[in-house]
Amino acid sequence: EAGVAQSPRYKIIEKRQSVAFWCNPISGHATLYWYQQILGQGPKLLIQFQNNGVVDDSQLPKDRFSAERLKGVDSTLKIQPAKLEDSAVYLCASSLVGAGTGSYEQYFGPGTRLTVT
Amino acid sequence: KQEVTQIPAALSVPEGENLVLNCSFTDSAIYNLQWFRQDPGKGLTSLLLIQSSQREQTSGRLNASLDKSSGRSTLYIAASQPGDSATYLCAVGGSQGNLIFGKGTKLSVKP
Repeated sequence: EAGVAQSPRYKIIEKRQSVAFWCNPISGHATLYWYQQILGQGPKLLIQFQNNGVVDDSQLPKDRFSAERLKGVDSTLKIQPAKLEDSAVYLCASSLVGAGTGSYEQYFGPGTRLTVT
Repeated sequence: KQEVTQIPAALSVPEGENLVLNCSFTDSAIYNLQWFRQDPGKGLTSLLLIQSSQREQTSGRLNASLDKSSGRSTLYIAASQPGDSATYLCAVGGSQGNLIFGKGTKLSVKP
C-alpha cells in the first residue's frame, strides 16, 4: 500500500513570496490533515478535511494560508505572502475516517521543509 | 484547552536498557492516544494506537499504557537498540479525529 505522498520535499523562498505544497493521501482515506511543525515543537493542526469539506480550520492563519481538497483526494496548502515565522515542516496526514469518530490511526507523509529568508 | 506534556525532553541510555517515556494530558475526554516515532528530517511513523476504552497496546518490544482518569500514558521500550534512537511523540485524539501533540522526547541509545 502506497503511503502519503508530499511534494516538494524542500523549499526556500524569500519573505513576501508565495508557496504551495501538494499532498496525495493513502487511497481510500476520507480524512486529510495538514500540520505545521516548528523546530523543537510537536506538530500543530492547521486544517482538517473530510472528503472535500472542511472539518476544522480554527488554527489556520486565514489572512495568508489557504487550502483546498478538490474531488476529495489530493490537497494543496498555499501561503501568500510568506513570513519568516512560517519556516517549518509542513506535514500531511490521512486517516480512513476520523471526523466524528476519532478512532482511526493517522498516517503521515515525509513533510515539506520550508525555509523563509 | 487540551495540553500534552512529555517528560523527559531528552534521554540517553546504553544499549540493552529498558526505558519508559512519559506523556500527560490535561483533559481526560480523549478518543484515543497515539505514539509516533520521528527520525531526523523525516515524517512521523505510527507506533501504537490506544483507543480510549483500552488500557494498553503492545507491538514487539514496545508497550504503551493509557490511564485516562489520571491523564497519563507511558511508552515502554524493552532491550533498547541504537536503531531506536529518534524523537518519540505522544498525541491525543479529539472528537473530530484531530491530534494534539506533545513536544516529544529525544532518545539516544548508545552502543
